[in-house]
Amino acid sequence: DQQVKQNSPSLSVQEGRISILNCDYTNSMFDYFLWYKKYPAEGPTFLISISSIKDKNEDGRFTVFLNKSAKHLSLHIVPSQPGDSAVYFCAASANRGGYQKVTFGTGTKLQVIP
Amino acid sequence: DGGITQSPKYLFRKEGQNVTLSCEQNLNHDAMYWYRQDPGQGLRLIYYSQIVNDFQKGDIAEGYSVSREKKESFPLTVTSAQKNPTAFYLCASKASAGGFDEQYFGPGTRLTVT
Repeated sequence: DQQVKQNSPSLSVQEGRISILNCDYTNSMFDYFLWYKKYPAEGPTFLISISSIKDKNEDGRFTVFLNKSAKHLSLHIVPSQPGDSAVYFCAASANRGGYQKVTFGTGTKLQVIP
Repeated sequence: DGGITQSPKYLFRKEGQNVTLSCEQNLNHDAMYWYRQDPGQGLRLIYYSQIVNDFQKGDIAEGYSVSREKKESFPLTVTSAQKNPTAFYLCASKASAGGFDEQYFGPGTRLTVT
């Protein structure tokens, strides 16, 4: 049962344009959402997060939008740069008896073309 | 520099042998985690530890064992009972298991069992 879904395994975008990565979830108990970026043969690094009480969070070129009614999350990167080429994982967190259990999506591979 | 180290980066074992993957952190984090990543799949939780001398099974704990005798260390043993041990293993830590903060990941260990 895949509770966090990233339906696009890959995405190609021209340098300077906007990259939009999407994520859908099914569990309404998720109360915190995160995006991680991963380069090959490395561990993921945290990018940006959003609480379920907000609908937008911005950090420089990165903006995360949350639509709770649609159970949909998106990450916008503007403008996209070649160094943004990586796999992006969406993650969602829910409280399980004092412990925040994190569920990861399957990832979207972003390629930014110079 | 604070961070998480995993060693070795690549590990090769014969089928039927147990193997232990190392994970050390100097971030003074309470919580530590082990995930495995397979092609086309997200990160799946094997075991987690909220505090020293405590650990809990994750979603795919069968065939694995862990210990948490020191705050800094959370080694993972892949036993011969694990049916498909070949994978990329990631260790992570977090300041506290119940907090709304991100996980910090190590660089990963790629285990190949033949």
